[in-house]
Amino acid sequence: GAVVSQHPSWVICKSGTSVKIECRSLDFQATTMFWYRQFPKQSLMLMATSNEGSKATYEQGVEKDKFLINHASLTLSTLTVTSAHPEDSSFYICSARDRTGSDTEAFFGQGTRLTVV
Amino acid sequence: AQSVTQPDIHITVSEGASLELRCNYSYGATPYLFWYVQSPGQGLQLLLKYFSGDTLVQGIKGFEAEFKRSQSSFNLRKPSVHWSDAAEYFCAVGVGFQKLVFGTGTRLLVSP
Repeated sequence: GAVVSQHPSWVICKSGTSVKIECRSLDFQATTMFWYRQFPKQSLMLMATSNEGSKATYEQGVEKDKFLINHASLTLSTLTVTSAHPEDSSFYICSARDRTGSDTEAFFGQGTRLTVV
Repeated sequence: AQSVTQPDIHITVSEGASLELRCNYSYGATPYLFWYVQSPGQGLQLLLKYFSGDTLVQGIKGFEAEFKRSQSSFNLRKPSVHWSDAAEYFCAVGVGFQKLVFGTGTRLLVSP
């Protein structure tokens, strides 16, 4: 099946710094990528949808200036958590849809555990 | 608004016993339904999906799910659970061809 690679798998950063998370589709082209956030023992909540070459669409309540999303190519989307604070500590997961796929399956990365200290 | 309910937060099943995880959805149109499994600290792996056609869907690892429109349900089943099945299971509904709305998950514990 299609592979989505997320990097890094985990990161620890100091409060006030910025962190970039990469999401790559390794063997397919993804016109649409999705960024989710998962708090401990909770479900995944969609943060934003990014389309290659255009601005991301953010879900209600998600600060676009804090969570910067860039989808510059058909195989790469990045999420930058700016001026991170401890409350941003969470598990971030991306998913991507194959542009040639005939169905709605999205493939998930392995996730990034962000800890802000 | 679309929503997914997984009423069981935890389920404990003896190894070798059968399993059923419940999922109910709320969606105005014909739903696209998914079951994912997540191991600790890992991403999500698709177990199976329903788009149309046969309401009994077969997935990987011996799992199956049945779509029942009249009950707005998409329950996941497995006839014989293995210890390696212990994980978190998420039911999700696809909204159009875009985002997924997930349930809160059910943690499966497998006892010896």
